[in-house]
Amino acid sequence: GQQVMQIPQYQHVQEGEDFTTYCNSSTTLSNIQWYKQRPGGHPVFLIQLVKSGEVKKQKRLTFQFGEAKKNSSLHITATQTTDVGTYFCAGPKSNDYKLSFGAGTTVTVRA
Amino acid sequence: NAGVTQTPKFRVLKTGQSMTLLCAQDMNHEYMYWYRQDPGMGLRLIHYSVGEGTTAKGEVPDGYNVSRLKKQNFLLGLESAAPSQTSVYFCASSFGIALSGDTQYFGPGTRLTVL
Repeated sequence: GQQVMQIPQYQHVQEGEDFTTYCNSSTTLSNIQWYKQRPGGHPVFLIQLVKSGEVKKQKRLTFQFGEAKKNSSLHITATQTTDVGTYFCAGPKSNDYKLSFGAGTTVTVRA
Repeated sequence: NAGVTQTPKFRVLKTGQSMTLLCAQDMNHEYMYWYRQDPGMGLRLIHYSVGEGTTAKGEVPDGYNVSRLKKQNFLLGLESAAPSQTSVYFCASSFGIALSGDTQYFGPGTRLTVL
């Protein structure tokens, strides 16, 4: 069945540095969604990518959808303490309509 | 709008006890979902509903039952709790399906411990 995998599982970043987290699917996705969960909180929708090669930005966050629509990345520049949390990618299952979530990348920031 | 609400926020059960988690949404969403979240395993779908009166099994349905008697409410039941059901439970809802690009709105979660 379809699987969505994220790497790395943990990302420890010095404040001010950049980092990238990656999401890979075993099948082509019609769209990919990214969610953020703050410590002790619940997942909150960040953004959705639909088109092959699409790039979207939200302030210091840059999201990209691969040309083959099987992978995606989230790049954060000049990391701040407000970026702490777990970032999940999710894509629709190919044979039905539910979302398949990756295991998430948990980000911690060293001040 | 309150969005998606869940009750209770915390609960401690003894093995074998039963309980019901309540999820309510005021966005008139057709689709509702129950997930459990365990460290390192992301969000796993327990059960879901595609409309009032319907329910279906997700990835990890064993030990749980659900009901959706009203469109705005989705109940998750544990008939005989086991320590393996210690987890954080999230309810979510969406207007449409993921294939169409609809996103999910999550409740604040219920932290359940089974001793």
